[in-house]
Amino acid sequence: QQQVKQSPQSLIVQKGGISIINCAYENTAFDYFPWYQQFPGKGPALLIAIRPDVSEKKEGRFTISFNKSAKQFSLHIMDSQPGDSATYFCAASIIYGGATNKLIFGTGTLLAVQP
Amino acid sequence: GAVVSQHPSRVICKSGTSVKIECRSLDFQATTMFWYRQFPKQSLMLMATSNEGSKATYEQGVEKDKFLINHASLTLSTLTVTSAHPEDSSFYICSARDRGGTDTQYFGPGTRLTVL
Repeated sequence: QQQVKQSPQSLIVQKGGISIINCAYENTAFDYFPWYQQFPGKGPALLIAIRPDVSEKKEGRFTISFNKSAKQFSLHIMDSQPGDSATYFCAASIIYGGATNKLIFGTGTLLAVQP
Repeated sequence: GAVVSQHPSRVICKSGTSVKIECRSLDFQATTMFWYRQFPKQSLMLMATSNEGSKATYEQGVEKDKFLINHASLTLSTLTVTSAHPEDSSFYICSARDRGGTDTQYFGPGTRLTVL
């Protein structure tokens, strides 16, 4: 119930196309859903995040769609660029120990944007 | 803002030695810091959560005597891998949660540990 399932494992998209990565969760106690981007040999960087009271959030070319009833959320990267090639992780946060938010990560999606 | 640094970025050591990794929040105070381990092409595995001034909480299966965590101030946490062995070779990443109370975790750049 603590898992966050992420798909696909890898994704190849043409430059200018839309990249879509999906995540699903079981635990309805999750209340914060961030997406992280990670380049090889680097730490993850926060891209965008959403709370369950909002169905969509957009920041530049990145959009999160959130479906509370289906317990699913997805990342859409519009006009994908070669520089977007990286590993993307979804995550979900749960209150832990009374005050500490613990992130549960998905398994990651390796995105390759071809020029 | 919200920068987290780690030092060193890479370390190579001999089997049996101990290695200390520092994690600092540079422009904010972090009541909570997290330590993760990541194997190649895999996701981040939470090792432990540390709150300033108190003992760390370790995830199931993580040896607390092997991975010593100290969170002595609101801007510094350290992870010491004691008596390191080749199987401890991995990418160690810390994150820090802003004391301001948001849920956001800001990650450091990671430390690549290689144990020979």
